[in-house]
Amino acid sequence: SQQGEEDPQALSIQEGENATMNCSYKTSINNLQWYRQNSGRGLVHLILIRSNEREKHSGRLRVTLDTSKKSSSLLITASRAADTASYFCATVNTGTASKLTFGTGTRLQVTL
Amino acid sequence: GAGVSQTPSNKVTEKGKYVELRCDPISGHTALYWYRQSLGQGPEFLIYFQGTGAADDSGLPNDRFFAVRPEGSVSTLKIQRTERGDSAVYLCASSRTGVRNEQFFGPGTRLTVL
Repeated sequence: SQQGEEDPQALSIQEGENATMNCSYKTSINNLQWYRQNSGRGLVHLILIRSNEREKHSGRLRVTLDTSKKSSSLLITASRAADTASYFCATVNTGTASKLTFGTGTRLQVTL
Repeated sequence: GAGVSQTPSNKVTEKGKYVELRCDPISGHTALYWYRQSLGQGPEFLIYFQGTGAADDSGLPNDRFFAVRPEGSVSTLKIQRTERGDSAVYLCASSRTGVRNEQFFGPGTRLTVL
């Protein structure tokens, strides 16, 4: 079953703009991860944030986590056409070892 | 180094047939996962191996699905009596220890059941 939802389902922006995607989840988590998927195939890990962290940066990516609201956001700054992909949040829930529970994803389109 | 590989990349079969999907994880990764992704959805967990044993098979939808990892490396997902609803992309991932680590995904096998 899916953990929760991502918002928006689809996002279209121009190159150079920032893209923000939100993720909500339902249960207590150990950590939350963001993945990118091109063309509906393999996923690429972007960033992991632990439940005791509130914000994390990696290059042009900024992730926040609010465990009280059970939500996270992914910000991509200065977007590029190559950022066009689907983005998924995934949680490792407390007590479930290490399996990932994914959200429904946001399709990002970056145009020139 | 080599990433996770999956074969075949595409598989078309007829309803009722048996299929095997193969996953070759990153060398040295002890944890291996299978997920299934339907069109427009996020991946859904099927099964997790730690070494040779299935540590969590709670995501397998029914007893037509079975997976093995006999030597703690390559894994095979087996589906008996396939149904049209089994059509999806089957993704394999591996991680170094399986303890809440980053998972590295393969390109997936697209299964189509006619």
